[in-house]
Amino acid sequence: GENVEQHPSTLSVQEGDSAVIKCTYSDSASNYFPWYKQELGKRPQLIIDIRSNVGEKKDQRIAVTLNKTAKHFSLHITETQPEDSAVYFCAASITGANNLFFGTGTRLTVIP
Amino acid sequence: DTAVSQTPKYLVTQMGNDKSIKCEQNLGHDTMYWYKQDSKKFLKIMFSYNNKELIINETVPNRFSPKSPDKAHLNLHINSLELGDSAVYFCASSLGQGYSPLHFGNGTRLTVT
Repeated sequence: GENVEQHPSTLSVQEGDSAVIKCTYSDSASNYFPWYKQELGKRPQLIIDIRSNVGEKKDQRIAVTLNKTAKHFSLHITETQPEDSAVYFCAASITGANNLFFGTGTRLTVIP
Repeated sequence: DTAVSQTPKYLVTQMGNDKSIKCEQNLGHDTMYWYKQDSKKFLKIMFSYNNKELIINETVPNRFSPKSPDKAHLNLHINSLELGDSAVYFCASSLGQGYSPLHFGNGTRLTVT
């Protein structure tokens, strides 16, 4: 099955700085890569996703890049704010929402 | 107006007991899931149902038995609870099995003593 590795496990940045979280996947057939944000004590929520037919996708301060050859994808958050503090999960799948394999999560702390 | 609701929110029980967690979604989705999040926050799929039919059954002890009476409900029954079952269990739903977002419930924190 798919194996998704995520780094770093914890990340602290000053407010206003950028944060980058990286994930690698093992199955070259994977073609769907969503990112979920989980605030403390709450449910995971999708923040952005990318399909394998594009290399980059942006949504305001959030962007995701995908390198299919190297089998890695990254989440970029610019101009971080305290409300960005949460655990972020990457995921990969061959078939979409069904059978997502999640990374181990990155706890992001934005220091005011 | 909660989209995916699961009950109870907290469940504390002793080893050997049997317990159930209920999940309902009002989004009109046809695919529902159970995920387990352990103490290290690792999210792992347990089951996936599409239109009441089991699609995915990951390596989960057969003490765990999901039931989907209709496509808006997916319940999880756990027999003979063990200490290692302590975790947060998330129900989720999606529109179809393709490239659509998972909508998670608020989770059920199960503690087995």
